[in-house]
Amino acid sequence: GQSLEQPSEVTAVEGAIVQINCTYQTSGFYGLSWYQQHDGGAPTFLSYNALDGLEETGRFSSFLSRSDSYGYLLLQELQMKDSASYFCAVRDRDGANNLFFGTGTRLTVIP
Amino acid sequence: NAGVMQNPRHLVRRRGQEARLRCSPMKGHSHVYWYRQLPEEGLKFMVYLQKENIIDESGMPKERFSAEFPKEGPSILRIQQVVRGDSAAYFCASSPRQGRSSYEQYFGPGTRLTVT
Repeated sequence: GQSLEQPSEVTAVEGAIVQINCTYQTSGFYGLSWYQQHDGGAPTFLSYNALDGLEETGRFSSFLSRSDSYGYLLLQELQMKDSASYFCAVRDRDGANNLFFGTGTRLTVIP
Repeated sequence: NAGVMQNPRHLVRRRGQEARLRCSPMKGHSHVYWYRQLPEEGLKFMVYLQKENIIDESGMPKERFSAEFPKEGPSILRIQQVVRGDSAAYFCASSPRQGRSSYEQYFGPGTRLTVT
């Protein structure tokens, strides 16, 4: 089965940089996705890494190392509105199309 | 371009009643997924449907839960004889095609079901 580990909580200061880690154990690997979810809101797709390296999208970047079964989401120039939960996700299993989500990291941005 | 629509947003049911949750995917999307989220937890897959077909229901409880995606109209997740443990947020997601479903899905605002 699939297993994803993320820190449960992270706190960072407005304007700073924060890194949210995700380690995975999967039967087959098809890439790592990241989703953001504000309290009471819908999960929103942020990024996807299929290959090793860094993908940058504005203030957000995502990194993958397949040899280490590890990825992270990097948020720069933190804003108060970035306070949310962040989930890493992988394909559920070989042949499946649904996502398997980690338990999420709750990011709190403080002034 | 409307996103994924779900209704109702909040639903209160007494134990033993039925709950019907509706989802209209994004325009042009034919793949629909239902997930359940308990407080402070990640999303758990329930069922994957295409028009008139259930493709994968491996995450769906065997009893009381059913889903459909008819040729016309929204996808429906139905929970019969609800129990308190069914209280959760139920999210629907859609994707334009199979290949991208494995990493990029568009989620609706969810239906928060409370069973009293």
